[in-house]
Amino acid sequence: ETGVTQTPRHLVMGMTNKKSLKCEQHLGHNAMYWYKQSAKKPLELMFVYSLEERVENNSVPSRFSPECPNSSHLFLHLHTLQPEDSALYLCASSQDAIYSYNEQFFGPGTRLTVL
Amino acid sequence: EDQVTQSPEALRLQEGESSSLNCSYTVSGLRGLFWYRQDPGKGPEFLFTLYSAGEEKEKERLKATLTKKESFLHITAPKPEDSATYLCAVMTTDSWGKLQFGAGTQVVVTP
Repeated sequence: ETGVTQTPRHLVMGMTNKKSLKCEQHLGHNAMYWYKQSAKKPLELMFVYSLEERVENNSVPSRFSPECPNSSHLFLHLHTLQPEDSALYLCASSQDAIYSYNEQFFGPGTRLTVL
Repeated sequence: EDQVTQSPEALRLQEGESSSLNCSYTVSGLRGLFWYRQDPGKGPEFLFTLYSAGEEKEKERLKATLTKKESFLHITAPKPEDSATYLCAVMTTDSWGKLQFGAGTQVVVTP
């Protein structure tokens, strides 16, 4: 595997389900990000992790819970979601978050549909 | 409040018909401006980073330029494979690691 991978690529869940999105980066980067992309809206930053420590939580509802066990893996745990949470969820990584001008490299995304 | 605005929202070009996309920004201090390309159902693909006014970068048929208030992405003699949504994003001096994206310009190039 190369670059940034995400699984699953598609997910359909009911409002009472619990599911998790997984992201893995193979670039040796130290920072990882979760973004939400809704139709006709700009990408919205959700969370930033630098060296496995959460450094930003962009006013995201608690029904989204991130986890970063190491610098290569990032999870987004989902529970009791709403239909308006249906979107493309993108993971990205960069060399460094805090002192960085570095570009972010994105995974292919998980298309989430909440019924 | 920081703002990033892209225009036009959509652009339809004939193959070989050159054009430019605009990204205007209002930020407290610019650390960098980034251009990405996004194909349907895929994640954004990094194209360029510009750091200071007057800077230019090129890649194949694409050329990005930066002024103090805006950036342009010039597409020279486009081909159908250049069809995509082009996104610009800014990183400001008080928002380390955070990219603020514009809504994108959807480009369709017809043969």
